[in-house]
Amino acid sequence: EDQVTQSPEALRLQEGESSSLNCSYTVSGLRGLFWYRQDPGKGPEFLFTLYSAGEEKEKERLKATLTKKESFLHITAPKPEDSATYLCAGSGGYNKLIFGAGTRLAVHP
Amino acid sequence: EAGVTQFPSHSVIEKGQTVTLRCDPISGHDNLYWYRRVMGKEIKFLLHFVKESKQDESGMPNNRFLAERTGGTYSTLKVQPAELEDSGVYFCASSQSTGHYGYTFGSGTRLTVV
Repeated sequence: EDQVTQSPEALRLQEGESSSLNCSYTVSGLRGLFWYRQDPGKGPEFLFTLYSAGEEKEKERLKATLTKKESFLHITAPKPEDSATYLCAGSGGYNKLIFGAGTRLAVHP
Repeated sequence: EAGVTQFPSHSVIEKGQTVTLRCDPISGHDNLYWYRRVMGKEIKFLLHFVKESKQDESGMPNNRFLAERTGGTYSTLKVQPAELEDSGVYFCASSQSTGHYGYTFGSGTRLTVV
């Protein structure tokens, strides 16, 4: 059965303290690995799609990487406005996304 | 461009009643998806429309749920009769092609069945 697991469930950082979020996946015929950001009361907001092992993408303080079993979202020198829930999702042979439970990130000044 | 619009944003209904959720996708997006998150669980796929046709409805939990997309524009998701376990947040998303450039999600409808 296709599955996506994220860790940690929650992460508290001081402003400027870099860290990484983990996403482990078992998705048959993975066509894409997605990262989303979700703020309270809002829908997921698209960040990145990764397609193959070794691929990396960056956006401001965020960098996503992909291996054959995992993806990492690296956050460099985070700011309080980076506080949100970060969701990982895999897309297999069809277009539906299989989501992980998310990592709740809190960045304190 | 306008984003994906969902309404109502919140709905509280009694068990056994009917509720209809609506989603207006981004104009020109042929692909429309429904997802939901029930308390404490991951966001899970319900179904996928391509224009007005149901491409994949493997995630629909049971026959109390009916989704339509008349004319390939907006979509509705009707729950009839609603049960307590249907409570959760229902998200709609749309994409122009197969979604690998990113699906755009709406803000969701929070459904509470009491």
